[in-house]
Amino acid sequence: DAKTTQPTSMDCAEGRAANLPCNHSTISGNEYVYWYRQIHSQGPQYIIHGLKNNETNEMASLIITEDRKSSTLILPHATLRDTAVYYCIVRFTGNQFYFGTGTSLTVIP
Amino acid sequence: DGGITQSPKYLFRKEGQNVTLSCEQNLNHDAMYWYRQDPGQGLRLIYYSQIVNDFQKGDIAEGYSVSREKKESFPLTVTSAQKNPTAFYLCASTSRVRGANVLTFGAGSRLTVL
Repeated sequence: DAKTTQPTSMDCAEGRAANLPCNHSTISGNEYVYWYRQIHSQGPQYIIHGLKNNETNEMASLIITEDRKSSTLILPHATLRDTAVYYCIVRFTGNQFYFGTGTSLTVIP
Repeated sequence: DGGITQSPKYLFRKEGQNVTLSCEQNLNHDAMYWYRQDPGQGLRLIYYSQIVNDFQKGDIAEGYSVSREKKESFPLTVTSAQKNPTAFYLCASTSRVRGANVLTFGAGSRLTVL
């Protein structure tokens, strides 16, 4: 089963780009990578997903390596409201989704 | 507005009592999920249902039960057999977005067993 590993925590200065890495070395060829974020005591919020190509939307960009074993979520101009726990997740057998412990991002004024 | 409604938001119960957490969605999604989250931890799957009248156990199903009698409803019962039920419970459903199954979450229910 595909699993993900992420750094436990990261800091980012307000206004700078936040780059959050994720390792998913066991991902299979047809599994998507999804990113969510969770602000304390709220439900996780969908950010972006991708399969092979890099993706961009109004919230973030997702860069996936060519071998698909890792990806990076980029928040181009971090604000204080981006302080949250960010989860990189993959789907596996039986339509289940694996959530690790995520990366706690702190945006510093 | 379409979405997932979980109730109650906060629930206090005495040890040994069964409690039922409600999850309702008006998104017309087929698949629904229940996750448990403990402080400082990620989400762990309790049960999921891909269609009405069918559901599967997740990683931590012991001490929990579910039903899926209607497409829009997926209630979770925390039974007295669950050894440590105090946690944050999240309900979700999936929809197809650009070929992928994207989860949408409710706001969560926080259960405290006294």
